Parts: sequence; structure tokens; C-alpha cells
Amino acid sequence: DIQMTQSPSSLSASVGDRVTITCRASQNIRNYLNWYQQKPGKAPKLLIYAASSLQSGVPSKFSGSGSGTDFTLTISSLQPEDFATYYCQQSYITPWTFGQGTKVVIK
Amino acid sequence: EVQLVESGGGLVQPGRSLRLSCAASGFTFDDYAMHWVRQAPGKGLEWVSGISWNSNNIDYADSVKGRFTISRDSAKSSLYLQMNSLRAEDSAFYYCAKDYGAQWLGMDYWGQGTLVTVSS
Repeated sequence: DIQMTQSPSSLSASVGDRVTITCRASQNIRNYLNWYQQKPGKAPKLLIYAASSLQSGVPSKFSGSGSGTDFTLTISSLQPEDFATYYCQQSYITPWTFGQGTKVVIK
Repeated sequence: EVQLVESGGGLVQPGRSLRLSCAASGFTFDDYAMHWVRQAPGKGLEWVSGISWNSNNIDYADSVKGRFTISRDSAKSSLYLQMNSLRAEDSAFYYCAKDYGAQWLGMDYWGQGTLVTVSS
């Protein structure tokens, strides 16, 4: 199975900060990488698909980049509604696998 | 508006069975692959199973292979997960999710989840 490793596992940031989360795949997954946001008690929400494409309705402060094994999710200016857990997920090959999650908390 | 509504969760004893359902609306069900994803309370996400638009392509996580069966009914726009030989480690919220393509690409809409608790 492809292992997805996110870093950091948690981060503390302030409103207005630029935040970057990284995701590394254990093998080349080309651009078959998605990013999700999950808030407590809610289902995950797709933010970025195919590594860098912004899902419809998602604010442009979210961006994704990378290909192969190394990927990043960037939030350009953190807002109160962005405090959540973020997951990367590879769809290159089954079984699909997720990163362990990155929890973004208020500093 | 896309809606996915899961049902069928509950408390079940180890070794018993449970069938989850997911009623889909707001999109052409037959055009998209569908998936089940689970999340144990306080833990991360785990993909459980997926099924292509025409049911020709099905796959499972190793942790459930041979015990769970995914299926879909186009007439009812519904997705199912038959779970047999349940174990304590199967306890989780189970989410139904729509793929954003005809191919297996990712999940753009999710249901609210249904909780399965396996305990004696």
C-alpha cells in the first residue's frame, strides 16, 4: 500500500498567517492527490483535487502544488473558519490511503 | 443540490452483521463511482471500499476484504455496504462519498456519516 505522511501533525497559527502543510507519498503518485478539510463533528470537504485544482466553491486562499511524491497545501491568510484538520489522500492506486491529518489550531 | 444520506448504523455484537445504506440525490447516480470511508472516533480517515459507476470495478481495504461487500442499485440511487463478521476495530463513523469522476479520482461530496459500534 502507498503510505502518505503529512507534516506537521499539528500546528499553531494566528489569524492572517500563511500556513503550509506537506504530504509525502511512499512512491510516485503523479498528481493523483486530493486535500480535504474536516471540522469537528462534520464530514470531510474536498478542497483541492489532482494536486493543484481548486474545488468549486472553495476560496482561492487555498492552493495546492506538487507532483510525484511531494505535495503541499497552502492557506494564504488563515481565517477563524480555517481552523480544522486537513488530510491528503492518494487516488493513484487502491487501496486509497490518507495522511494521518494535520490539525490547525489557534495560537 | 447533491445529498448523500447514510442509514443502518447502530450497536452490534462482535461476529454479527450490519447493512449500511446511502440514499443519493441531486446528481445522476449512474455516472459516478461511489465509496465508503470510515473514521473511528478521534482517529483519521480510512478508505473502506469503492465501486465504479457500472459495478464492474470494485475494491476493498485489506482490513475488510472478505467480510464487507459493496453494492449499488441504480433504480433506487442507493449505495450499500454489507458488513459481516464484525469486529471491535470496525467501530467507526461510516461515510458514503461520491467520486468526482467516472474514474476513481477522489470524493467531492460526503454524507453526514452513520455510527457503527461493535461491542458485546
